[in-house]
Amino acid sequence: KAGVTQTPRYLIKTRGQQVTLSCSPISGHRSVSWYQQTPGQGLQFLFEYFSETQRNKGNFPGRFSGRQFSNSRSEMNVSTLELGDSALYLCASSLEASEQFFGPGTRLTVL
Amino acid sequence: GENVEQHPSTLSVQEGDSAVIKCTYSDSASNYFPWYKQELGKRPQLIIDIRSNVGEKKDQRIAVTLNKTAKHFSLHITETQPEDSAVYFCAASPILYGNKLVFGAGTILRVKS
Repeated sequence: KAGVTQTPRYLIKTRGQQVTLSCSPISGHRSVSWYQQTPGQGLQFLFEYFSETQRNKGNFPGRFSGRQFSNSRSEMNVSTLELGDSALYLCASSLEASEQFFGPGTRLTVL
Repeated sequence: GENVEQHPSTLSVQEGDSAVIKCTYSDSASNYFPWYKQELGKRPQLIIDIRSNVGEKKDQRIAVTLNKTAKHFSLHITETQPEDSAVYFCAASPILYGNKLVFGAGTILRVKS
């Protein structure tokens, strides 16, 4: 089975812009979760989608949003980018109530 | 909300020695506790996990113990090897309510040969 894939792998944006990141889960996995990883804050949960519905949400501002499509692929969007949004964004897919498999991440740099 | 504390933040051991990393969680609803290993520039990978109805689980050189009463869980690596050098993250999840993982801050493990 192919693993979790994320596109793009690297992204450079400027403050005030918006960005969309994509995640393709392992075939058959209906749950996709997103995490932000930074040296200062570690790994923080953003949100989880299951069957096209947001099921859990972390403590991030409304500038961070996501969605999931009928094929379980997910996108996350960050609007009005700030310098502090520079991070590695990881998505993870899983079957219900089981191990989460992480993608390689998208490295976002905000200038 | 759920909080997970992880100690130590860095750990250096001699090859062949054992390494122990400890975590404490706050939410008594948490019932799934995975451990991830992340090598530099790579994605986190699950190395072992435990559910709340089990007190201990072992997989070759790696073991995890869980004390639900004290809300503690620990990772034990025996006979460490240089390739065990990485960052290790513990996490907790109230998995009945979805797949949200709350991570500890991570432990940098260095195995010296």
